[in-house]
Amino acid sequence: QVQLVESGGGVVQPGGSLRLSCAASGFNFFSHHIHWVRQAPGRGLQWVALISPDGNNKYYADSVKARFTISRDNSKNTLYLQMNTLGPEDTAVYYCARGVSYSFEYWGQGTLVTVSS
Amino acid sequence: QSALTQPASVSGSPGQSITISCTGTGSDVGGYNYVSWYQQHPGKAPKLMIYEVSARPSGVSNRFSGSKSGNTASLTISGLQPEDDADYYCSSYTSRTIWEFGGGTKLTVL
Repeated sequence: QVQLVESGGGVVQPGGSLRLSCAASGFNFFSHHIHWVRQAPGRGLQWVALISPDGNNKYYADSVKARFTISRDNSKNTLYLQMNTLGPEDTAVYYCARGVSYSFEYWGQGTLVTVSS
Repeated sequence: QSALTQPASVSGSPGQSITISCTGTGSDVGGYNYVSWYQQHPGKAPKLMIYEVSARPSGVSNRFSGSKSGNTASLTISGLQPEDDADYYCSSYTSRTIWEFGGGTKLTVL
């Protein structure tokens, strides 16, 4: 069955960096667009970024552009999100989600990122 | 403030039907048939319920249906059941090659 497992979350100081990972299994990872979506505590969902199957096309929300970088290693069935210059507004649960028909078909369980001094 | 507008809350009794609206603009909801809906229970990941305005993924109950008119999409849940008590989010692809979500609607099954 399709599985997405995020990792790499934790507590980081403002201005710091963190790299999240999303390990995929149960499907042909190399064939699918994959998104990052986040949810601040007690708040709604916010789309963060998308990467194409071959990794050549990447799209970002304005709020993270130039600070976050999405990437993937199809040989390892793994998605990444490098997050730099983090601020309190980036505190959230970060989900990876498989894309299909411009929707988010399968979601991981999420990893919590807390930006605090 | 979310780009797509949803009511903060709706409620209904078991067996009843409810509708949740999702209002955007011609650059998102009105411009593309790429509206999707998600159900989220507390502490859980969201679950896809509707995609491409009205299509249901395999395994999703046919009590859930979607539609769109102009810049407003709607999710209808018929025959409300206790397990439908959850938060619901709409999402739309946009002309800027980004995705937007609504602020979410808390459904209470009385």
